[in-house]
Amino acid sequence: NAGVTQTPKFRILKIGQSMTLQCAQDMNHNYMYWYRQDPGMGLKLIYYSVGAGITDKGEVPNGYNVSRSTTEYFPLRLELAAPSQTSVYFCASSYSGSPGETQYFGPGTRLLVL
Amino acid sequence: QQQVKQSPQSLIVQKGGISIINCAYENTAFDYFPWYQQFPGKGPALLIAIRPDVSEKKEGRFTISFNKSAKQFSLHIMDSQPGDSATYFCAARRQRQLTFGSGTQLTVLP
Repeated sequence: NAGVTQTPKFRILKIGQSMTLQCAQDMNHNYMYWYRQDPGMGLKLIYYSVGAGITDKGEVPNGYNVSRSTTEYFPLRLELAAPSQTSVYFCASSYSGSPGETQYFGPGTRLLVL
Repeated sequence: QQQVKQSPQSLIVQKGGISIINCAYENTAFDYFPWYQQFPGKGPALLIAIRPDVSEKKEGRFTISFNKSAKQFSLHIMDSQPGDSATYFCAARRQRQLTFGSGTQLTVLP
């Protein structure tokens, strides 16, 4: 299994541009998550999904959108990129959301907005 | 506000020494407390975790101590090795969401 994969690894955006960060998992996990990690900070949850067609906001959802049409994919959309969205973005997945269920993280996408 | 406070921000330990990282939380509704290890350029990976009804959990050289009354928990790394050099995050779970601490950069000197 490839686990959780993310593309691209690195991207530079200009202010106002849009892009989609891709995330895929091949573990048949129901739950998927998007986090951002700012320098010297912990991860903050942007959005999560408990299954295809079901998404919910996390701690920092403003400026982002998600969709989940299949179990495998959970893309994150940035509309009108701003310098404050410069960060490293991690996608994660887990089989369920119950306590003790491990979240598996992808390698991350580094985004720079100039 | 759901917060998890982690200290220290950075830690330097000699090989063979004990590394201790501390976390504190406010929300008593948290029901699961994992620790993640992150190497540069990689995503976090689960290291060890504990439920709030347990005071201690040990896995190899890694131990979590949990003090429910004080709302604190800590990670102890025994016989620290240079390969343990990484950033460590504590986290707390509530309603399907993890709240992470700010991280501790551990350096183990050879």
